[in-house]
Amino acid sequence: EVQLVESGGGLVQPGRSLRLSCTASGFTFGDYAMSWFRQAPGKGLEWVGFIRSKAYGGTTEYAASVKGRFTISRDDSKSIAYLQMNSLKTEDTAVYYCTRAPRGPKGWFDPWGQGTLVTVSS
Amino acid sequence: QSVLTQPPSVSGAPGQRVTISCTGSSSNIGAGYDVHWYQQLPGTAPKLLIYGNSNRPSGVPDRFSGSKSGTSASLAITGLQAEDEADYYCQSYDSSLNVVFGGGTKLTVL
Repeated sequence: EVQLVESGGGLVQPGRSLRLSCTASGFTFGDYAMSWFRQAPGKGLEWVGFIRSKAYGGTTEYAASVKGRFTISRDDSKSIAYLQMNSLKTEDTAVYYCTRAPRGPKGWFDPWGQGTLVTVSS
Repeated sequence: QSVLTQPPSVSGAPGQRVTISCTGSSSNIGAGYDVHWYQQLPGTAPKLLIYGNSNRPSGVPDRFSGSKSGTSASLAITGLQAEDEADYYCQSYDSSLNVVFGGGTKLTVL
């Protein structure tokens, strides 16, 4: 079964950092691009960023709202994708989801992890 | 303000048919990029419902169907069931904004 499990969420003060992890199982992780999304309380879905597979250079793309503050990386040997979040703001409070991107950024995203809640507050 | 426009809510009685629209522009749906749909049941993660405009992943009932024309797309649900009550999101790609979503539509089964 293809499965994604996020971890690392919690309460953090504005301006601090947090790193989320997405542990994959049930598929060859290194063959796929991965993406992060978020959903603020009571709001819709927002794309955060994307990392291509090593076969496509392992390059990243980010939403304007997080560019320069967030960094996505991957460890194919451990089947884990990371979201490093720096200089956090209160508006970054959301549930963060990890997804697989079978067709790259122009395609669909499936499956989705269960999400991990990040609360940025003093 | 979402790049793709969806109605905030739709409703229907059990057994009825409902449709949810998703309107974009010439830089996303109108540029030929595919539209995908997700279902988010209360308190759960989104789940892929339709991909590539009209394709259903394995396990999705054929009561759900998708279509695309011009700068818009639609999700149709026939034979409405109580378990279909959820939020539905359309998603596409925008040539300048990357991955974009609609604001979501809350489906209420009366």
